[in-house]
Amino acid sequence: SQTIHQWPATLVQPVGSPLSLECTVEGTSNPNLYWYRQAAGRGLQLLFYSVGIGQISSEVPQNLSASRPQDRQFILSSKKLLLSDSGFYLCAWLDPSYTRDTQYFGPGTRLTVL
Amino acid sequence: KNQVEQSPQSLIILEGKNCTLQCNYTVSPFSNLRWYKQDTGRGPVSLTIMTFSENTKSNGRYTATLDADTKQSSLHITASQLSDSASYICVVSRRNAGNMLTFGGGTRLMVKP
Repeated sequence: SQTIHQWPATLVQPVGSPLSLECTVEGTSNPNLYWYRQAAGRGLQLLFYSVGIGQISSEVPQNLSASRPQDRQFILSSKKLLLSDSGFYLCAWLDPSYTRDTQYFGPGTRLTVL
Repeated sequence: KNQVEQSPQSLIILEGKNCTLQCNYTVSPFSNLRWYKQDTGRGPVSLTIMTFSENTKSNGRYTATLDADTKQSSLHITASQLSDSASYICVVSRRNAGNMLTFGGGTRLMVKP
């Protein structure tokens, strides 16, 4: 069966510090991978998606970046965090060969920027 | 513009009661519609998925309906339980859009004893 992991689960960082959030998927190959952010009490906002190693598409301009160094690893980074980067970050995967194309979400990382 | 609107934003019901959550969308061309349940501090979990030709889908006490003509969907929860307290998110997928999803803002449901 497939599983998706995210770490860390929670993170408190000062403004201006760097960020690295990691997401890994097990039990599937060539998944589409997604990074979402959810502000408190708000809906999910797609940040990045990737259809393959080294292929990253950005949905919104921001000071965040994403990388996919391996097939089942997706990393969200920032060189300098802003207060507005606080939120709940969710990674998701999807099997593009399956027509029902359901996205499966990880447990999330709660980031607080002080 | 592709949008998904949900109502109500929040809802409080007593344990054992039924409730219905609404979702209206303008996403086009339509591929499928999902309802997700998101417990506080957790990732969303898929409850149901419906394509254009399906107008009802059940998952235990959850029943989703879809009217593709009016672009409306509802999620009916029967005999609510305390564990149903969560946010329910309506998500619409666009055909030929690389599996991109448009998320509604969610309905926050609280079930009280």
